[in-house]
Amino acid sequence: NAGVTQTPKFQVLKTGQSMTLQCAQDMNHEYMSWYRQDPGMGLRLIHYSVGAGITDQGEVPNGYNVSRSTTEDFPLRLLSAAPSQTSVYFCASRNRGGTEAFFGQGTRLTVV
Amino acid sequence: GESVGLHLPTLSVQEGDNSIINCAYSNSASDYFIWYKQESGKGPQFIIDIRSNMDKRQGQRVTVLLNKTVKHLSLQIAATQPGDSAVYFCVETQAGTALIFGKGTTLSVSS
Repeated sequence: NAGVTQTPKFQVLKTGQSMTLQCAQDMNHEYMSWYRQDPGMGLRLIHYSVGAGITDQGEVPNGYNVSRSTTEDFPLRLLSAAPSQTSVYFCASRNRGGTEAFFGQGTRLTVV
Repeated sequence: GESVGLHLPTLSVQEGDNSIINCAYSNSASDYFIWYKQESGKGPQFIIDIRSNMDKRQGQRVTVLLNKTVKHLSLQIAATQPGDSAVYFCVETQAGTALIFGKGTTLSVSS
């Protein structure tokens, strides 16, 4: 059982480049979320989804897009990378109404 | 928006002591309060949750207390072990919404 899989684990981008962080879960969870974690800031919610075809913005959505075409996948797109987007990104999934979220291993992104 | 915060950014204890990590929350509409543990280089991991209509819940070596009058949540860890060293987050959620994390408390356990 793979759980939540994030790819890539590490990425370096130049300012202005675009890329997609992948997230896939095999637990048939309805809820999926993306967070970014910066030193001393905890985890901040970027976008979340309560089911296929449904997405909503979190606390820090600017510069990021998401889509949820299937239950399993929830990719995060950086439209035009900026140094302020240097961070560790975590994807998580959980059952509807559940409190136990399962997190991926994270993607460490550096924008130069 | 409202957010969950923690009283202290760091806590240092000796192995075998009991640890108490505190959290103040502001959203009285939250349905659940949850504690997560994050070890270095890993994603957060669920520890225990408590529903808003309860005031105490116990797990294995952990107890969560909820005081809605003063909007305070605490996590008690009995007989703290070196493996408990991590960052602890208190998290709140309402039905149909995402988990909102506070900034975290770093627990350091020395032997």
